[in-house]
Amino acid sequence: GAVVSQHPSWVICKSGTSVKIECRSLDFQATTMFWYRQFPKQSLMLMATSNEGSKATYEQGVEKDKFLINHASLTLSTLTVTSAHPEDSSFYICSARAGTGISNQPQHFGDGTRLSIL
Amino acid sequence: GENVGLHLPTLSVQEGDNSIINCAYSNSASDYFIWYKQESGKGPQFIIDIRSNMDKRQGQRVTVLLNKTVKHLSLQIAATQPGDSAVYFCAEGGFSGGYNKLIFGAGTRLAVHP
Repeated sequence: GAVVSQHPSWVICKSGTSVKIECRSLDFQATTMFWYRQFPKQSLMLMATSNEGSKATYEQGVEKDKFLINHASLTLSTLTVTSAHPEDSSFYICSARAGTGISNQPQHFGDGTRLSIL
Repeated sequence: GENVGLHLPTLSVQEGDNSIINCAYSNSASDYFIWYKQESGKGPQFIIDIRSNMDKRQGQRVTVLLNKTVKHLSLQIAATQPGDSAVYFCAEGGFSGGYNKLIFGAGTRLAVHP
């Protein structure tokens, strides 16, 4: 149980392109989803927290107009990297959790999306 | 934990030995701690968690120890196997703006040699 699926797993695109990454909870309802970015040999850095039906909360330094997050249903959140540039190349990982606010439910992680911008 | 940048510390052990991976966390108000295992090209996989009202918790082949006095967390893996080779992250549960979130430590690479 508690499977989180990300799609695509790998994407290569030209600079200036917008890229959408999907995160789905397959067997539970994810009221809260989290988006992380991970550079090589570094830790996961939280980008934003999204709750179904409301606006995402972005971490300091993360541009909300650059990284658009939509969490329109209890099983799907999307991250769109708009007008991507080479410096946006990274490993993007989502996690999903049942429960809102202060929740004792654990986060379940997807297998990440490797984004390479040429 | 702090992100120490481009160099992951590496722990090299022989197959069958016990491994101890350490982590220092930053927020004394954190009350929930988790260890994750991340294999190359994959997302983090939950190993074990512990709440601040405990100082030790055991799972299958793994034990987590929490020392709140010095804000230190450790993961002990018994009889380490080649399949345990991965990067291990500790994470602390923090509260921000109504949503508890995880703050990840820098990570330690575990290399198991046959």
